[in-house]
Amino acid sequence: ETGVTQSPTHLIKTRGQQVTLRCSSQSGHNTVSWYQQALGQGPQFIFQYYREEENGRGNFPPRFSGLQFPNYSSELNVNALELDDSALYLCASSEPGTRLYEQYFGPGTRLTVT
Amino acid sequence: DQQVKQNSPSLSVQEGRISILNCDYTNSMFDYFLWYKKYPAEGPTFLISISSIKDKNEDGRFTVFLNKSAKHLSLHIVPSQPGDSAVYFCAASAIQGGSQGNLIFGKGTKLSVKP
Repeated sequence: ETGVTQSPTHLIKTRGQQVTLRCSSQSGHNTVSWYQQALGQGPQFIFQYYREEENGRGNFPPRFSGLQFPNYSSELNVNALELDDSALYLCASSEPGTRLYEQYFGPGTRLTVT
Repeated sequence: DQQVKQNSPSLSVQEGRISILNCDYTNSMFDYFLWYKKYPAEGPTFLISISSIKDKNEDGRFTVFLNKSAKHLSLHIVPSQPGDSAVYFCAASAIQGGSQGNLIFGKGTKLSVKP
């Protein structure tokens, strides 16, 4: 069984640029959530996708957007990057039913905005 | 305002002894609680969970206790092993509130188990 994978591992961008992060969910999982983890903080929920539609969103501005594809993989797009967007971005997948809240995380993408 | 609080940034325990990690929450709508463990350069790994209808859940060396009246939960690790050294995150979710999958995390507690 393949776990959650994310790409790239690390990324350096300049303020004002756009970035796309990618996530492949664990086999059998049709729900993908994205989290931002700033240094010294816990992960903060950005949004969740279920069956290719957004299924909940945290307190993040519209320049954070996402997609989910028919194979349940997902992308996180961030436009007009700001210095405060520097963080570890985590993708988590879960399966429907009673284990929905027991999400399985990927290793994350470390984004640095300069 | 933090809804899930882990007030101890770090904890050091001797191998073989008990580790107790604490977590407080403020939102009475939370009805499901989880603990995650995170090693450096890896994503958080699900450890154990508890529903608000229970006050205890046990899985091997790990036990989570929930005190709803105090809005407090704790994770007990007995006996502690050096491999348990990691950052532990407490997380909560309000299932009935419709925010399925929206986990609210604490800031984490770094556990160091010394041989």
